[in-house]
Amino acid sequence: SQQGEEDPQALSIQEGENATMNCSYKTSINNLQWYRQNSGRGLVHLILIRSNEREKHSGRLRVTLDTSKKSSSLLITASRAADTASYFCATGQFSGGYNKLIFGAGTRLAVHP
Amino acid sequence: DSGVTQTPKHLITATGQRVTLRCSPRSGDLSVYWYQQSLDQGLQFLIQYYNGEERAKGNILERFSAQQFPDLHSELNLSSLELGDSALYFCASSRRDSGVTDTQYFGPGTRLTVL
Repeated sequence: SQQGEEDPQALSIQEGENATMNCSYKTSINNLQWYRQNSGRGLVHLILIRSNEREKHSGRLRVTLDTSKKSSSLLITASRAADTASYFCATGQFSGGYNKLIFGAGTRLAVHP
Repeated sequence: DSGVTQTPKHLITATGQRVTLRCSPRSGDLSVYWYQQSLDQGLQFLIQYYNGEERAKGNILERFSAQQFPDLHSELNLSSLELGDSALYFCASSRRDSGVTDTQYFGPGTRLTVL
């Protein structure tokens, strides 16, 4: 079953606006990662935040992690049409005797020129 | 381009058949992961190999099997195919054996359609 749940399922904004996506999870994690997927293509790793970190930046991306609330958010600032994609959070966890990445259902972001 | 290659890009077959999907990891990466992405189940982790050995297992059906060869390429075998097996199958690779802390680099995927 899916571990991370993204919210919203879909987001439509204008170029230049900020986009915020949220991810909630259920069990304890080692880290949380965000990936991006252009339509029907492979996923691209964006950023990893460890369980002992609260915030991380990479270019126009800002990720926060609140382990007490079991949630994370991804903020894309000054969005561009090229940011149109699906964004997935993935939690690194030990489950069933293995370390695994468990992906959420994703947020579909559409950025309009 | 992630450096991970997958073949074929598209595969159309009939129920009951068997297919083999192939993946070549990035140069220097020792781990290979297989994922299935479908509309109803989302992105599901199937299995991981590290340097030829099975390292982690996810929601992989008994009809599915995988292996990693000495040259580190991997194959995912799907047999007795059912309509519900239609999906995108992704391969990813990483440098080390930790599928959790390492960045995983994804291939472009193989789209399997079972008719």
